[in-house]
Amino acid sequence: EADIYQTPRYLVIGTGKKITLECSQTMGHDKMYWYQQDPGMELHLIHYSYGVNSTEKGDLSSESTVSRIRTEHFPLTLESARPSHTSQYLCASSASLSGRYEQYFGPGTRLTVT
Amino acid sequence: GNSVTQMEGPVTLSEEAFLTINCTYTATGYPSLFWYVQYPGEGLQLLLKATKADDKGSNKGFEATYRKETTSFHLEKGSVQVSDSAVYFCALSMRGSQGNLIFGKGTKLSVKP
Repeated sequence: EADIYQTPRYLVIGTGKKITLECSQTMGHDKMYWYQQDPGMELHLIHYSYGVNSTEKGDLSSESTVSRIRTEHFPLTLESARPSHTSQYLCASSASLSGRYEQYFGPGTRLTVT
Repeated sequence: GNSVTQMEGPVTLSEEAFLTINCTYTATGYPSLFWYVQYPGEGLQLLLKATKADDKGSNKGFEATYRKETTSFHLEKGSVQVSDSAVYFCALSMRGSQGNLIFGKGTKLSVKP
């Protein structure tokens, strides 16, 4: 059973607010990822990290930022939320040493910006 | 570039029907292949995987065989249940890609009693 957590599960917030979506994993995985899932279900990689102090932008341009100060923690921040940021955000992690490339996903945060 | 194409949904079946969800891939090398499942309101779970040609992944009655000659990894189940209603994603990962997955667009399955 994968142990990866996301909080909050649901968030409704007004335009212009700063928000941070939390993601933590207890598996000691070195790699972590953030995906944005649109209403049509398609997944878009927006950020990833290969380890502490490593962050990279994904395939989909995003106004969000991420940090990786600790192995287990990979928060995503929106400095000024807009209605276009309304989406489902999924966090995932994987272990590079396993060589199996399996990613384990958290339950997601559903963000609504009004 | 590398990509995954899976059949568009939604797919609606009656309980105990046979399921096939087609998945084909384009890759410059030899990828590992995965099927993930997303139940309503949840994140994705790994359903099964195959890492080399002719490997068969299986789990919970689902199967998929890595076919290099047809670049396919079709998902099958002999008898679906209402509890199988979910969105299914096919994905690939290339060696040297540092584990990044390339996903298909997802196929929504609804099983009616």
